[in-house]
Amino acid sequence: ETGVTQSPTHLIKTRGQQVTLRCSSQSGHNTVSWYQQALGQGPQFIFQYYREEENGRGNFPPRFSGLQFPNYSSELNVNALELDDSALYLCASSQETTGGHGYTFGSGTRLTVV
Amino acid sequence: RKEVEQDPGPFNVPEGATVAFNCTYSNSASQSFFWYRQDCRKEPKLLMSVYSSGNEDGRFTAQLNRASQYISLLIRDSKLSDSATYLCVVRDSGNTPLVFGKGTRLSVIA
Repeated sequence: ETGVTQSPTHLIKTRGQQVTLRCSSQSGHNTVSWYQQALGQGPQFIFQYYREEENGRGNFPPRFSGLQFPNYSSELNVNALELDDSALYLCASSQETTGGHGYTFGSGTRLTVV
Repeated sequence: RKEVEQDPGPFNVPEGATVAFNCTYSNSASQSFFWYRQDCRKEPKLLMSVYSSGNEDGRFTAQLNRASQYISLLIRDSKLSDSATYLCVVRDSGNTPLVFGKGTRLSVIA
């Protein structure tokens, strides 16, 4: 059983640029959630995708957007990058129909905006 | 008021010590509760779920008080390998996202 994989592991971007982060969900999981973790903070929920549709969103501006594909993998896109977007971006997959916890986190993408 | 609040850290304790972490949550409708462990520059990993009756996993004991909206984690006989950040996590129900506290950093010293 493969876990959650994220790419790239590290990324440096310039303020104003756009970035796409990728996540492959664990086999058998149909839901993907994205979290942003700034230094010294807990992860903050960005949004969640289930069956290729966004079905929950945290307090993040529209320049944070995403996609989920038929194979349940997902992308997080951030436009017009700001310095405060520098953080660890975590993807978690789960199988919502089974209930319980069942979250598996990827190892994250560390984004630095300069 | 933050949804999930934890003790400020860091906690620096000697090997073998007992250490307790506390957490409060604001949404009385929350249904699921967890403690996660996060090593430096790594992803969070589930340490244990927290049940109303309290539960134990080896040296780790978790307690939940729904009336006070309070969660605790007790670590007995601390090991150097317990050094990490401990995150208190709450989930409202079903398909809702995990809500994380800020985390409390633990350093176990030889």
